[in-house]
Amino acid sequence: EPEVTQTPSHQVTQMGQEVILRCVPISNHLYFYWYRQILGQKVEFLVSFYNNEISEKSEIFDDQFSVERPDGSNFTLKIRSTKLEDSAMYFCATRRGGLSYGYTFGSGTRLTVV
Amino acid sequence: ELKVEQNPLFLSMQEGKNYTIYCNYSTTSDRLYWYRQDPGKSLESLFVLLSNGAVKQEGRLMASLDTKARLSTLHITAAVHDLSATYFCAVDNNFGNEKLTFGTGTRLTIIP
Repeated sequence: EPEVTQTPSHQVTQMGQEVILRCVPISNHLYFYWYRQILGQKVEFLVSFYNNEISEKSEIFDDQFSVERPDGSNFTLKIRSTKLEDSAMYFCATRRGGLSYGYTFGSGTRLTVV
Repeated sequence: ELKVEQNPLFLSMQEGKNYTIYCNYSTTSDRLYWYRQDPGKSLESLFVLLSNGAVKQEGRLMASLDTKARLSTLHITAAVHDLSATYFCAVDNNFGNEKLTFGTGTRLTIIP
């Protein structure tokens, strides 16, 4: 079964540093998303991406965050200057399109900001 | 703003018993999803419910959707230990830019 691949699985970074989280979507999927989950809490929407541009972003997705698909395959989330409260599990999700298809989530990147 | 509520938040049940997790949501939507999450792991898709009255079953789990009541249920039959996990429902807002809004999750513990 096709998978959404995320790297790294775990990243520890110092406060103020930039991080880039990477996702390789399923090849025929058209819609891409980033979600985050703070430990023990629910999953929160960050941003959706379609046709090489942001479709929607949440209040969490402020100027410190950006997404891009630099080479047509990888889908990246960049946090420019990390804060302690950015510590969370970040999930990439992709969707093929069409009403009957669901969302496939990647294995996640655990980001720890120290 | 779409709100999704689950109850209970925590559920501890004995093996062999039946129980139901409830998921209520606040605005019109025809698409509801159930996911399972083991500690420190990703979200595993369990069910995709796409219309009013949809019912799906997989093993000891059965999910249903009532769009008029804005309610979905996840029913567990004769629980076994390996069903212990956190279960999330999520609703797709189906107004143009689809995205999932998740419920708070139900942490299920099955006691031998």
